[in-house]
Amino acid sequence: KAGVTQTPRYLIKTRGQQVTLSCSPISGHRSVSWYQQTPGQGLQFLFEYFSETQRNKGNFPGRFSGRQFSNSRSEMNVSTLELGDSALYLCASSGGTKETQYFGPGTRLLVL
Amino acid sequence: SQKIEQNSEALNIQEGKTATLTCNYTNYSPAYLQWYRQDPGRGPVFLLLIRENEKEKRKERLKVTFDTTLKQSLFHITASQPADSATYLCALLDPSARQLTFGSGTQLTVLP
Repeated sequence: KAGVTQTPRYLIKTRGQQVTLSCSPISGHRSVSWYQQTPGQGLQFLFEYFSETQRNKGNFPGRFSGRQFSNSRSEMNVSTLELGDSALYLCASSGGTKETQYFGPGTRLLVL
Repeated sequence: SQKIEQNSEALNIQEGKTATLTCNYTNYSPAYLQWYRQDPGRGPVFLLLIRENEKEKRKERLKVTFDTTLKQSLFHITASQPADSATYLCALLDPSARQLTFGSGTQLTVLP
């Protein structure tokens, strides 16, 4: 089975812009979670989608949003980018029980 | 909410020795605890899961213990090799928030 894929792998944006990141889960997985990873805060949970519905949300401002399509592919959007949004954004898919999360390679976002 | 502490940000050991990493948590006891490995610029990779009713789990050179009284998990790599050098993360499922909470990780370096 192909693993979790994320596009793009690298992105450079300027403050105030918005960005959309994409994640394709492992075939058959309906749960997709998004995480932000920074050196200072570590891996922080953003949100989880299951069967096109947001099932859970972490403590991030409303500028961070996401959605999931009927084929389980997911996108996350960050509007009005801030310097502090520079991070590695990881998505992970699972079979629904969260017992094992399969992570993608991440999208490295740099906000200038 | 759950707090997770992983011992020392960095751990250096000599090749062939056993590396022992610690994960301590506060508050409730999770139904299970997971360990992941992360290499630079890549997403975490699942290694082992241990449930609250299990004392020990093994997989090849890896061993995980889970002490719900001490609220601690130990992760051991025996006969360590330079290829084991990576950051190791522990993660717990927060049942109330229905999300995985990750520790900040321990960066392990195995010296040849």
